[in-house]
Amino acid sequence: AQRVTQPEKLLSVFKGAPVELKCNYSYSGSPELFWYVQYSRQRLQLLLRHISRESIKGFTADLNKGETSFHLKKPFAQEEDSAMYYCALSGGGSYIPTFGRGTSLIVHP
Amino acid sequence: NAGVTQTPKFRVLKTGQSMTLLCAQDMNHEYMYWYRQDPGMGLRLIHYSVGEGTTAKGEVPDGYNVSRLKKQNFLLGLESAAPSQTSVYFCASRTPRTGTSYEQYFGPGTRLTVT
Repeated sequence: AQRVTQPEKLLSVFKGAPVELKCNYSYSGSPELFWYVQYSRQRLQLLLRHISRESIKGFTADLNKGETSFHLKKPFAQEEDSAMYYCALSGGGSYIPTFGRGTSLIVHP
Repeated sequence: NAGVTQTPKFRVLKTGQSMTLLCAQDMNHEYMYWYRQDPGMGLRLIHYSVGEGTTAKGEVPDGYNVSRLKKQNFLLGLESAAPSQTSVYFCASRTPRTGTSYEQYFGPGTRLTVT
């Protein structure tokens, strides 16, 4: 079975502060991990995936297999980063991703 | 490309009424999904399809039916709506696996209220 845990429902920071949105997963094989973002009243869109090892909008995420984590980080938060963030996991070539419950990020001016 | 579209955007139903939500994608994707999004619950999979003519149950299928008669369309039906089905419904389709990964594309959502 695969499971994704996002321990924080809400994360509130001030503009310019560092941000870390936590994602822990449970899967015995090699996981595929994703971060999706949903801005207010908009559709979900892919932010980044671990396989690409990319930085999007200043966000990065590193897969830590030892800690089974895929935390999303940004060194300096911007107000436009305020959104709901979902971590998602696919395991073993599965076509059914499992989503976490999401973390709402609020960046105050 | 329009991507993934959903019809309608909003709907209010009375308990016991029925309705169908339409999802359409123009990317020739095989896989399509219906999710519901509720506060504190994240995204939960209702039903999914791995190709034309196929459907399968997800995590929360009770009270919903689906059909995939055409590859580009995935219909979600509520036969007898209940207040517990008040939610935002998202459809998604998925790219083929390229290399070792893929991407889901989501529709704009349908906000359904059942009174």
